[in-house]
Amino acid sequence: EVQLVESGGALVQPGGSLRLSCVASGFTFSNYWMSWVRQAPGTGPEWVANIKQDSSERNYADSVRGRFTVSRDDAKNSLYLQMDSLGAEDSAFYFCAREGQAYALDIWGRGTMVTVSS
Amino acid sequence: QSALTQPPSVSGSPGQSVTISCTGSSSDVGGYNRVSWYQQSPGTAPKLIIYEVSFRPSGVPDRFSGSKSGNTASLTISGLQAEDEAEYYCRSYTGGSTPYVFGTGTTVTVL
Repeated sequence: EVQLVESGGALVQPGGSLRLSCVASGFTFSNYWMSWVRQAPGTGPEWVANIKQDSSERNYADSVRGRFTVSRDDAKNSLYLQMDSLGAEDSAFYFCAREGQAYALDIWGRGTMVTVSS
Repeated sequence: QSALTQPPSVSGSPGQSVTISCTGSSSDVGGYNRVSWYQQSPGTAPKLIIYEVSFRPSGVPDRFSGSKSGNTASLTISGLQAEDEAEYYCRSYTGGSTPYVFGTGTTVTVL
């Protein structure tokens, strides 16, 4: 079964850091671009970052550039999101997703919740 | 990069057709064919239903169709069914400093 499972979400204080993980199974992880998407409760999704198959290219949304870092470990079929200098505006469900044909997000995980609050 | 504009809600009776618009600019929707559509039910992750403007992934019913004209993409649901009640989002490549942007979302209600 093709699957993505996120973990690492937590309650963190403003200014803090958090590292999210996403483990893939059921497909050849190393063949795909991968993305992170977040969604605050009651709002629409916001694309956050993505990373190319060989990690040679990484892209970020303006809202997180310089604070978040996306990485991957193909040997572990894992995607990561290091989040630093967190603020209340970063509170959301964070989903990892596979980029399939035409870079559409064809496989999604169930998400992990990040809450930034004192 | 601002979110793409979608109508907040559309509704229709079972069997009818509804169309959701997704309006951007020549820098996103109008400039590229990397437009996709997602269906999201409460408490679940979004699900891909259309990619590259008009292509359906395997398993998506053919009552879902996509198109684009100028800076506006559209999703049409023909033969509306109760199970189609959900939130729908478009997404487009922008080629800008934020490479991808989602739409504001549309709630589909089956009357």
